[in-house]
Amino acid sequence: DAKTTQPPSMDCAEGRAANLPCNHSTISGNEYVYWYRQIHSQGPQYIIHGLKNNETNEMASLIITEDRKSSTLILPHATLRDTAVYYCIVRVATSGSARQLTFGSGTQLTVLP
Amino acid sequence: GAGVSQSPSNKVTEKGKDVELRCDPISGHTALYWYRQSLGQGLEFLIYFQGNSAPDKSGLPSDRFSAERTGGSVSTLTIQRTQQEDSAVYLCASSLHGSSTDTQYFGPGTRLTVL
Repeated sequence: DAKTTQPPSMDCAEGRAANLPCNHSTISGNEYVYWYRQIHSQGPQYIIHGLKNNETNEMASLIITEDRKSSTLILPHATLRDTAVYYCIVRVATSGSARQLTFGSGTQLTVLP
Repeated sequence: GAGVSQSPSNKVTEKGKDVELRCDPISGHTALYWYRQSLGQGLEFLIYFQGNSAPDKSGLPSDRFSAERTGGSVSTLTIQRTQQEDSAVYLCASSLHGSSTDTQYFGPGTRLTVL
């Protein structure tokens, strides 16, 4: 799987949009971009994933650049409960294989009141 | 239940004792993963079950660790003769099919403390 690079920490004001960047310049054509987060003392939580099109769900939006070398996770109206470590990972689409998750150091997002 | 559940939520044990950790995956999910996470560290893969196939045990750190999955549902992770370095949060995840792009849904974890 391609390596990802994220800033170690970010702050965001409550109610504002939180934009979390991720670089994955070595991503290959069959690799998906996934985002998970981990709130303190909880298990990781899936947020969203995409291949090349932008994606939106009830939690967030994922914007992937046209060259797919970077992406941005957008939390449109951050709340204090969104304070967590956010992990960006890329995973190859290989069916039938046991592909465990590997997280890097992620971005610690702190939502400020 | 709606999500992955794990029990107990916290376990304190003495060095040398055996412990059992339980995971109930999401109903219908054929794949089940065990991970552990030490304080401030990333996920460490332990073992993976997929349907009736032989489990992938490549992440188990020693022969003191073992896991079973009965009836394709509930799984138990057993640690024998616990050591202080086994202290960590043990996380269970399940996914629908077990392919690399399946979303994994995590339980809340079991925090194990070995005194």
